Amino acid sequence: DAGVIQSPRHEVTEMGQEVTLRCKPISGHNSLFWYRQTMMRGLELLIYFNNNVPIDDSGMPEDRFSAKMPNASFSTLKIQPSEPRDSAVYFCASSLGVGARKTQYFGPGTRLLVL
Amino acid sequence: DQQVKQNSPSLSVQEGRISILNCDYTNSMFDYFLWYKKYPAEGPTFLISISSIKDKNEDGRFTVFLNKSAKHLSLHIVPSQPGDSAVYFCAASGGNTPLVFGKGTRLSVIA
Repeated sequence: DAGVIQSPRHEVTEMGQEVTLRCKPISGHNSLFWYRQTMMRGLELLIYFNNNVPIDDSGMPEDRFSAKMPNASFSTLKIQPSEPRDSAVYFCASSLGVGARKTQYFGPGTRLLVL
Repeated sequence: DQQVKQNSPSLSVQEGRISILNCDYTNSMFDYFLWYKKYPAEGPTFLISISSIKDKNEDGRFTVFLNKSAKHLSLHIVPSQPGDSAVYFCAASGGNTPLVFGKGTRLSVIA
């Protein structure tokens, strides 16, 4: 069975450009999470959805970041305009429900470099 | 303000010895704790968890200990193997809230 799929795996872009990261959760999972990993801050939750509805976006750093989940099998995280400090690894994870007892399954991540 | 803290960024251990990874938390509402393991170029994977009603949970070579009064948990790996070399994230949650992760500890097991 396929795990969480993320694309692209690597993205190099120039400051000011729009970046779109994509995620396909595990089929049947109803919760989806976007995380960002940096050396300074570790693994931070940006936003999460339950049944395609955004529940908490308090981790989104700025208005330049937006996320959507138009259906149960697809989500995007968009950065517009991108800045060098956005360089990080972005992970998508999915689970059956939100609570900690619901194991989250992570995708391989998208490594973003903004020049 | 970090609610979950892993104060050791890295740890080196000889193969066959015990690895002890530590984690502290500040939120008294946390009632469930997990460890995730991450290899390079992969996403984190769930390793082991513990509920606040317990003080120990064991799964093969991996044991997690919880000290609620000290708001501290630790992951013990015995014996350590080279394949255990990875970044280990501690995470915590209270009720139905999402996980809060620490910054991670990089474990290197030297053959």
